[in-house]
Amino acid sequence: GAGVSQSPSNKVTEKGKDVELRCDPISGHTALYWYRQSLGQGLEFLIYFQGNSAPDKSGLPSDRFSAERTGGSVSTLTIQRTQQEDSAVYLCASSNRDSTNYGYTFGSGTRLTVV
Amino acid sequence: RKEVEQDPGPFNVPEGATVAFNCTYSNSASQSFFWYRQDCRKEPKLLMSVYSSGNEDGRFTAQLNRASQYISLLIRDSKLSDSATYLCVVNMGGYSSASKIIFGSGTRLSIRP
Repeated sequence: GAGVSQSPSNKVTEKGKDVELRCDPISGHTALYWYRQSLGQGLEFLIYFQGNSAPDKSGLPSDRFSAERTGGSVSTLTIQRTQQEDSAVYLCASSNRDSTNYGYTFGSGTRLTVV
Repeated sequence: RKEVEQDPGPFNVPEGATVAFNCTYSNSASQSFFWYRQDCRKEPKLLMSVYSSGNEDGRFTAQLNRASQYISLLIRDSKLSDSATYLCVVNMGGYSSASKIIFGSGTRLSIRP
């Protein structure tokens, strides 16, 4: 597609439930990133995929968080047994390798609310 | 010390004014630098990359000072539409190290009529 697409745009879930967030990057972009942003805060790195390399998971806050990227394209971020502190906007961004020096394009995010 | 630090503001300036803010970074090996703009409840969007020699895009000028480890953003003839949060982004690692890409927490700018 023309841009990075994320779904759903909003998700309200009960504490303890699992959620899946989806990111469809720009076609041809080999790198995909997940960040989260709590209200009024900066962006927190979660995980990074680059081509077929092993993902950089160093930002995942706990083992309740996992992500995969199928076929080098669409990515799914899964949060198990959600907690209230997981409430945030989850942002996905993509870039091609040559764009590392030119920034990345963000999707419009998924606003997750855990009640 | 934070890896990337910005004055959170808010900067409240009248329309037409010139405003500048800095962003400091801790790692002298940092390789690339960007300014992003984020509007309220929207995703960040790339405003401009910051080149070693400095660069200008219309009313916006970005500069890099490696010796003092900071980047700056200057906005001339500010418009109401410039009101946003400006995020400093520093890539401290190589191409394969996204975890070294650090976002500042942003500087809020508010332009008043």
